[in-house]
Amino acid sequence: NAGVTQTPKFRVLKTGQSMTLLCAQDMNHEYMYWYRQDPGMGLRLIHYSVGEGTTAKGEVPDGYNVSRLKKQNFLLGLESAAPSQTSVYFCASSYRGVAGEQFFGPGTRLTVL
Amino acid sequence: GQQVMQIPQYQHVQEGEDFTTYCNSSTTLSNIQWYKQRPGGHPVFLIQLVKSGEVKKQKRLTFQFGEAKKNSSLHITATQTTDVGTYFCAGLDSGYALNFGKGTSLLVTP
Repeated sequence: NAGVTQTPKFRVLKTGQSMTLLCAQDMNHEYMYWYRQDPGMGLRLIHYSVGEGTTAKGEVPDGYNVSRLKKQNFLLGLESAAPSQTSVYFCASSYRGVAGEQFFGPGTRLTVL
Repeated sequence: GQQVMQIPQYQHVQEGEDFTTYCNSSTTLSNIQWYKQRPGGHPVFLIQLVKSGEVKKQKRLTFQFGEAKKNSSLHITATQTTDVGTYFCAGLDSGYALNFGKGTSLLVTP
């Protein structure tokens, strides 16, 4: 099992460009999450999904969109990147929702110039 | 909204010394989870506490959940260089998402 994988690992964007981060899990988990991690800020939830075809906003959703067309994939989109979106992005999945262990991917380091 | 505060922000110890990080919530939690993140790595689940006053041990690590379910602690006995990393607590109240503390970064020097 690969667990949770994320692509790409690194990306540099110019302000205003768009991109999509892909998260895939092979554990048949219903719940998936996107977090961002900034120095000294811990992990903040951007969006989450409780199952295929469903998404919901987290703590810091502005500037991001998500889609969960397939159970194993959760996509995070930036329509018009801003320097404030420079961060490390982690995807996670869980079997029992927030009441259970979350499995994290290796992260995507994004720099917006 | 729920706030999860974690102290200290940083801790530097000599190998063999003990280490403790504390987590405090403004609201009563239904559960609390602890994660470890090695430098350059991703968070890895350590444990979950659910019951009031619960104490769990994993080798040299001891986790406690307060009686009021508003605070928790992680204690490491006789630290080793392999313990280096950032330790996060994450609390769940009645909401939909875990609220992560800002973490405690532990540095262990031999």
